[in-house]
Amino acid sequence: DTGVSQDPRHKITKRGQNVTFRCDPISEHNRLYWYRQTLGQGPEFLTYFQNEAQLEKSRLLSDRFSAERPKGSFSTLEIQRTEQGDSAMYLCAITHSQGSVDEKLFFGSGTQLSVL
Amino acid sequence: RKEVEQDPGPFNVPEGATVAFNCTYSNSASQSFFWYRQDCRKEPKLLMSVYSSGNEDGRFTAQLNRASQYISLLIRDSKLSDSATYLCVVNGGSSASKIIFGSGTRLSIRP
Repeated sequence: DTGVSQDPRHKITKRGQNVTFRCDPISEHNRLYWYRQTLGQGPEFLTYFQNEAQLEKSRLLSDRFSAERPKGSFSTLEIQRTEQGDSAMYLCAITHSQGSVDEKLFFGSGTQLSVL
Repeated sequence: RKEVEQDPGPFNVPEGATVAFNCTYSNSASQSFFWYRQDCRKEPKLLMSVYSSGNEDGRFTAQLNRASQYISLLIRDSKLSDSATYLCVVNGGSSASKIIFGSGTRLSIRP
């Protein structure tokens, strides 16, 4: 158990619909990451929170994507007006370290999004 | 050139064999390195960190070569359960976006 729960596990939606994913760290972790992974590729960084502050965003995160972490605990990732190219696994990760360079990421089981 | 490169494989080896694969990185300032294992349709899971002095955990040995900018993973006495994709991860600095994953190397162990 990595201490990260993601919901839903699978999401099928039609192009143009909005979707929201949720990530719940079981205990308090100040650092939370979102990644996207497509078939045959490694996870790609999307965004990062330290507590409730969104400190970094990837250029992959178009204006259709938004992420929040309102109380510094759970986080949501929303995709508006989904496109077929958004189909991917969306992974949330936390770290147990306290800001050292030795950041070991622990992932949730991910949300597999399919846009039809 | 990709920041982190891996041979995609697949490596198909018999049970009990020794297999090794490398991962090269382009950022010479990279500070920490890891191997993750990912099973089909599952999340990546940390396998081991990679230290300059090398790191061994049972049948798994990880090495770092800073001069040539690559890390390696050696699996001895391979088991069927070792079949997975192995992702190398390079942390290029204090920025979260500098944690870069390779595309992974697929390993298949046959009976």
